[in-house]
Amino acid sequence: KAGVTQTPRYLIKTRRQQVTLSCSPISGHRSVSWYQQTPGQGLQFLFEYFSETQRNKGNFPGRFSGRQFSNSRSEMNVSTLELGDSALYLCASSLDGTVNYGYTFGSGTRLTVV
Amino acid sequence: QQQVKQSPQSLIVQKGGISIINCAYENTAFDYFPWYQQFPGKGPALLIAIRPDVSEKKEGRFTISFNKSAKQFSLHIMDSQPGDSATYFCAATLARQLTFGSGTQLTVLP
Repeated sequence: KAGVTQTPRYLIKTRRQQVTLSCSPISGHRSVSWYQQTPGQGLQFLFEYFSETQRNKGNFPGRFSGRQFSNSRSEMNVSTLELGDSALYLCASSLDGTVNYGYTFGSGTRLTVV
Repeated sequence: QQQVKQSPQSLIVQKGGISIINCAYENTAFDYFPWYQQFPGKGPALLIAIRPDVSEKKEGRFTISFNKSAKQFSLHIMDSQPGDSATYFCAATLARQLTFGSGTQLTVLP
């Protein structure tokens, strides 16, 4: 079956712009989580959605937001981009978000802010 | 309290050797301890995972050893192969949130 699909794969934006990233989870998975990966900070949790509701949020500023649609697809938005937002943004899907079923990651969206 | 500390940062082993990566955690509420493997240009892929009520889990060449009292766990890769060369992350889960270690870049020499 198809894995987690993230689009676009690469993105270049300028400071103060905003960006929207998309994630399509594995069919049947209802939980979608987002992570930011940078060389300096490593992998950090952004937020988790289940059935269109945000259930958990990491320690990121309000410029980072997300949503989930009724088909479980999710988007994350970053407004007023800063150079430090350059990172690989990873989406992970899970059947229900619990440890019983694990998390499957997509290949990520590489965002470069110039 | 959410931190997971991972060592070493990099590891070089010969083909056929044993690779050992260690992690330590502080928060005793963590309820699941997975290891992920990441190749360049790809997202992390689940390798093996363990719950805190189990001391060891083996899947093929990969073994997790878990020491609850010491709050430490480790990944052992037996008979390491060049194809195992990748970055390995330990993680711990609480409330549907993965807290990752800083990663270990493993290089297996042919």
